[in-house]
Amino acid sequence: GENVEQHPSTLSVQEGDSAVIKCTYSDSASNYFPWYKQELGKRPQLIIDIRSNVGEKKDQRIAVTLNKTAKHFSLHITETQPEDSAVYFCAASRGYGNKLVFGAGTILRVKS
Amino acid sequence: GAVVSQHPSWVICKSGTSVKIECRSLDFQATTMFWYRQFPKQSLMLMATSNEGSKATYEQGVEKDKFLINHASLTLSTLTVTSAHPEDSSFYICSATSSSVSTDTQYFGPGTRLTVL
Repeated sequence: GENVEQHPSTLSVQEGDSAVIKCTYSDSASNYFPWYKQELGKRPQLIIDIRSNVGEKKDQRIAVTLNKTAKHFSLHITETQPEDSAVYFCAASRGYGNKLVFGAGTILRVKS
Repeated sequence: GAVVSQHPSWVICKSGTSVKIECRSLDFQATTMFWYRQFPKQSLMLMATSNEGSKATYEQGVEKDKFLINHASLTLSTLTVTSAHPEDSSFYICSATSSSVSTDTQYFGPGTRLTVL
């Protein structure tokens, strides 16, 4: 089955710097890759997603890149702010109606 | 749009009792619902996938007789933890998908914190 690895497990950055979180997946049939932000005790919140027919997607300060050949995708947050501090999860899926397999998560701390 | 609710938001029960958690899609029809469990400082682990009107598909290692899932309608799925024990204490989160809202996106409920004494 699918296996998703996520790195780093913790990431501390200074406010205004960029943060990059990387994930690799094993199932070549996976075609949907969402990123979630989760605050303590809350539900995961979708922040950006990408499908396998696209190599890059951007939404304001957040971008995701996908390399299908290498089976890895990355989250990029620019101009980080203290409110970006949370746990971030990547996930992979075969698409509609199929399960999400999550990475282990990255604790992002943005220091002001 | 695409709002998923869960009830209760938290529950405390005694060891050996059963607890039912409800997951509802409020403004769309959820053809597929997923149940996840999240232990402290860990990731979300899928327990089972449920399609309306059919039996749930459980992930390896998840006891189907202990975690009963019913997806009786397009807006409601329930998870019953039977004979709960302290090791079942966790954060249970459901999600739902619908072809009418988005083909791939899963919409998560707010989660239910279960504590078994």
